[in-house]
Amino acid sequence: DQQVKQNSPSLSVQEGRISILNCDYTNSMFDYFLWYKKYPAEGPTFLISISSIKDKNEDGRFTVFLNKSAKHLSLHIVPSQPGDSAVYFCAAIIYGSSNTGKLIFGQGTTLQVKP
Amino acid sequence: DVKVTQSSRYLVKRTGEKVFLECVQDMDHENMFWYRQDPGLGLRLIYFSYDVKMKEKGDIPEGYSVSREKKERFSLILESASTNQTSMYLCASIERGLAKNIQYFGAGTRLSVL
Repeated sequence: DQQVKQNSPSLSVQEGRISILNCDYTNSMFDYFLWYKKYPAEGPTFLISISSIKDKNEDGRFTVFLNKSAKHLSLHIVPSQPGDSAVYFCAAIIYGSSNTGKLIFGQGTTLQVKP
Repeated sequence: DVKVTQSSRYLVKRTGEKVFLECVQDMDHENMFWYRQDPGLGLRLIYFSYDVKMKEKGDIPEGYSVSREKKERFSLILESASTNQTSMYLCASIERGLAKNIQYFGAGTRLSVL
């Protein structure tokens, strides 16, 4: 059962325009969400996060929006640049008995930004 | 800067071989994780460790085991490799604590089992 879903496998946008990547989740107990970016042949790198008690977090060109009632979050990249072309993973954190935060990832969305 | 190093970038092994994937982190993090990444499935947690000699199963532990003898090193073991274990394997680490949420990843090991 996929608790975190990214239903769009790919997205293509023009340089300078907005990229919107979407993510849905099913578990209302998640209390923290993150976006990771991954280039081919590299490990994922942290991009931006949001706590479940907030509805927006902004960092430069990147903004994450959280709609708890819809169990939906989105990542906005404005303006998009060719260097943003990568696979983007949405992830949620859940804490277990050892107080270790486990990340549950979506399937990923491949973003292509065309010059 | 946190550094998570995976010993091999590419590995080719034969079915039935015992395979060791090694991961080392240099930030004294208590928690370490092993994931595999497959197209259309995202990253799935195999095992994690929250302290030396401590381990917990993730979502897909079957066919794998782990070893954490030293804090900085976390090994993933495929006792008898099978073709369905061909994948990209990613190691990650994070500090202990509820406020610590960002996992740092290694570059990955692409394993092919023939």
